[in-house]
Amino acid sequence: AQSVTQLDSHVSVSEGTPVLLRCNYSSSYSPSLFWYVQHPNKGLQLLLKYTSAATLVKGINGFEAEFKKSETSFHLTKPSAHMSDAAEYFCVVTSTSGTYKYIFGTGTRLKVLA
Amino acid sequence: NAGVTQTPKFQVLKTGQSMTLQCAQDMNHEYMSWYRQDPGMGLRLIHYSVGAGITDQGEVPNGYNVSRSTTEDFPLRLLSAAPSQTSVYFCASSPRGFGRDKGELFFGEGSRLTVL
Repeated sequence: AQSVTQLDSHVSVSEGTPVLLRCNYSSSYSPSLFWYVQHPNKGLQLLLKYTSAATLVKGINGFEAEFKKSETSFHLTKPSAHMSDAAEYFCVVTSTSGTYKYIFGTGTRLKVLA
Repeated sequence: NAGVTQTPKFQVLKTGQSMTLQCAQDMNHEYMSWYRQDPGMGLRLIHYSVGAGITDQGEVPNGYNVSRSTTEDFPLRLLSAAPSQTSVYFCASSPRGFGRDKGELFFGEGSRLTVL
């Protein structure tokens, strides 16, 4: 069965410094992995997705994530945080086989300090 | 292009009442799903469907029913509302991918339900 763990429930960074949001997954088969962002009282927006191509995936707003199979990780990074990045971020895993489900992590709330 | 449309956006119910949250998508997506979002718990899958006439349970299905009579619509029914069902509900759809390429989820704007 698939599962996903977001290692930090809250992350605080200063504006202009790097962002690292950590995600580990468990999947019996080759996974598809996604990062979504949710701003306060809003719906969810796709940041980026990994399916099977390049292990370094670039997304919107300067975010990127690297798929590391040996570490079962899919961490989200951004070189320089902006105030508008303050939001909640969700890592999502699904599988190519078995039950067709998208499983969400519990989320990481990113705070950006001026 | 409407995408995924959820109604109502807000609803207040009394314990024991029933209601239906509506979800419609106009993208011809095979996959549709319902999630509930509670603080600190992320989004938990209630029910999902991989096509018309096919539904299955997610992580937290108790107290909810779904049906999928058409590709476009996937209503979520609360049979007898309880305070524990107070939550924000999201409907999401996806073009079912093949092989290793699973399509992304497209979300509605959410429905905030309060059960008194």
